Amino acid sequence: IVLTQSPGTLSLSPGERATLSCRASQGISSSFFAWYQQKPGQAPRLLIYGASNRAPGIPDRFSGSGSGSDFTLTISRLEPEDFAVFYCQQYGDSPTFGQGTKVEVK
Amino acid sequence: GQLVESGGRAVRPGGSLRLSCAASGITFDVLGMSWVRQVPGKGLEWVSGVNWNGDSTDYADSVKGRFTISRDNAKKSLYLQMNSLRAEDTALYHCARNLALAGTYDAFDLWGQGTMVTVSS
Repeated sequence: IVLTQSPGTLSLSPGERATLSCRASQGISSSFFAWYQQKPGQAPRLLIYGASNRAPGIPDRFSGSGSGSDFTLTISRLEPEDFAVFYCQQYGDSPTFGQGTKVEVK
Repeated sequence: GQLVESGGRAVRPGGSLRLSCAASGITFDVLGMSWVRQVPGKGLEWVSGVNWNGDSTDYADSVKGRFTISRDNAKKSLYLQMNSLRAEDTALYHCARNLALAGTYDAFDLWGQGTMVTVSS
């Protein structure tokens, strides 16, 4: 299953809303969909699992939605520490990741 | 708790390498584990996964037949035996723990910092 993320880069200011998309090449169960954040020099951090469940310790400004083949990660108000690369993942079959969306400071 | 990988180094094409991942201070023996690799500056690629007791494994097509994943729950360790290495296997290799499932894969809630494998002549 191929996951395609858009946009490739999102240029926003702190306080703004970020909307990241991930489209799957075929429908997948929302139970097996996740989002990660990765900062330079760090391992990925799980944000969302089961398409809409926040992982422990993740602030409520992060939310996930979607079903079928279209999924969305929303950051309601960007904090300075949120700027990073974000990856989607499906794990209903052999896991695959999207190519990433970089959220950068405008 | 943490996961710490080791064993990465420079190796010639066609060579072999064994990576290890040591778990400490975490639940290990009831959850599946995976290896995920990342070319520096590029995206994530799942490589292989193993279920909680080691009797079910899965591999990405790119490594099938060349890599073997295993685990030793008594030692709280995960391994990746890498044979017939190619230049395209060059990457940072992370071990990652399943969030909640005992099966071969899941969302990954804990990651190691990775060990670098470089395949070059």
